Amino acid sequence: DIKMTQSPSSLSASVGDRVTITCRASQSISTSLNWYQQKPGKAPELLIYAASTLHGGVPSRFSGSGSGTDFSLTISSLQPEDFATYYCQQNYGTPLTFGQGTKLEIK
Amino acid sequence: EVHLLESGGGLVQPGGSLRLSCAASGFTFSSFAMAWVRQAPGKGLEWVSEISPNGGSTYDADSVKGRFTISRDNSKSTLYLQMNSLRAEDTAIYYCAKDMSTWPDYFDYWGQGTLVTVSS
Repeated sequence: DIKMTQSPSSLSASVGDRVTITCRASQSISTSLNWYQQKPGKAPELLIYAASTLHGGVPSRFSGSGSGTDFSLTISSLQPEDFATYYCQQNYGTPLTFGQGTKLEIK
Repeated sequence: EVHLLESGGGLVQPGGSLRLSCAASGFTFSSFAMAWVRQAPGKGLEWVSEISPNGGSTYDADSVKGRFTISRDNSKSTLYLQMNSLRAEDTAIYYCAKDMSTWPDYFDYWGQGTLVTVSS
């Protein structure tokens, strides 16, 4: 199975900050990497697929990059609604696997 | 508008069975793979099972292989998960998710989830 490791596990930041979350795969997965946002008590929502393509309706302050084993999700200017938990997920092979999550909290 | 509505969760004793359903609307159900993804209380996301558009291919996580069976009825736009021999570690919110593709890929729509609690 492909193991996905996110860092950090939690992060405190302020509105307006630029933040980056990283995700590392245990083997090369090309650009088969997706990012989700989950708010408390809600289902996850797709943000980015294929490492860098923004899903429809997602604000442009979100961006993704990377290939191979190392990936990142960047929020250019944090907004109050961005405080949530973020998960990466690989679709290079089955079983599909998720990172453990990064909880983004208000400083 | 895409809508996924799960049902069938509840409290069940260890070793028991439960059948989850997911009613889909707002898209051509028979054209996409569908999946179940679960989340244990306070934990991360775990892909459980997935099924191809015509139901001919299924994929299961090792943790549920031989115990859970995913199926679909395209005439009813409904996804199912038959869960047998349930264990305490199966306790989780179970989400129904629409895949973007016809094989395990990534998920563009999710239901709100149904809680399964396995406890005596």
